[in-house]
Amino acid sequence: DAGVIQSPRHEVTEMGQEVTLRCKPISGHDYLFWYRQTMMRGLELLIYFNNNVPIDDSGMPEDRFSAKMPNASFSTLKIQPSEPRDSAVYFCASRRTYLGHEQYFGPGTRLTVT
Amino acid sequence: ELKVEQNPLFLSMQEGKNYTIYCNYSTTSDRLYWYRQDPGKSLESLFVLLSNGAVKQEGRLMASLDTKARLSTLHITAAVHDLSATYFCAVDIKETSGSRLTFGEGTQLTVNP
Repeated sequence: DAGVIQSPRHEVTEMGQEVTLRCKPISGHDYLFWYRQTMMRGLELLIYFNNNVPIDDSGMPEDRFSAKMPNASFSTLKIQPSEPRDSAVYFCASRRTYLGHEQYFGPGTRLTVT
Repeated sequence: ELKVEQNPLFLSMQEGKNYTIYCNYSTTSDRLYWYRQDPGKSLESLFVLLSNGAVKQEGRLMASLDTKARLSTLHITAAVHDLSATYFCAVDIKETSGSRLTFGEGTQLTVNP
């Protein structure tokens, strides 16, 4: 299996631009998670889906952030408009429903907003 | 709200020495995970502990879980430089509509020659 796939791996954009991050979970995994990691705030859970349905988006910092999962093999995290404080590494992760199953992380997208 | 606390947050140790990282959590759970993260890399799963008293070992690392004390430990034996990384514990909590991991702050381990 290819593991969790994220694109792009690096993104540099100017403040005010729209940014879309993409994730393909491991096949057969029905949970998908979006995290953000910064030096200041550590690893934060932004939102997670179960069977393509958003379960908890309380970690989404503000309305500029939105996430979708149109099908079991694809999810997007969008930031519009982007701000310099959004600069971080964004990880996608997936796992199966069964409790105790391992959660696998993607390689991450390093976002820099100038 | 679940809290997961690791200590120490920073650990500098010499090669060949032993040390333990502690992970305390504030609510009932019998599922705990340990991850490793190298600088600039993603998180890699090390151990999954699924019951009270569970112990798992891989090389120089051994993890254990005491659900009654709400405590997990990651013990490092005869550290080597390659173990330098940040180690996270995470607790799995089942919520009404789903299940998610809550992570500790991470322990940044540096092993010096």
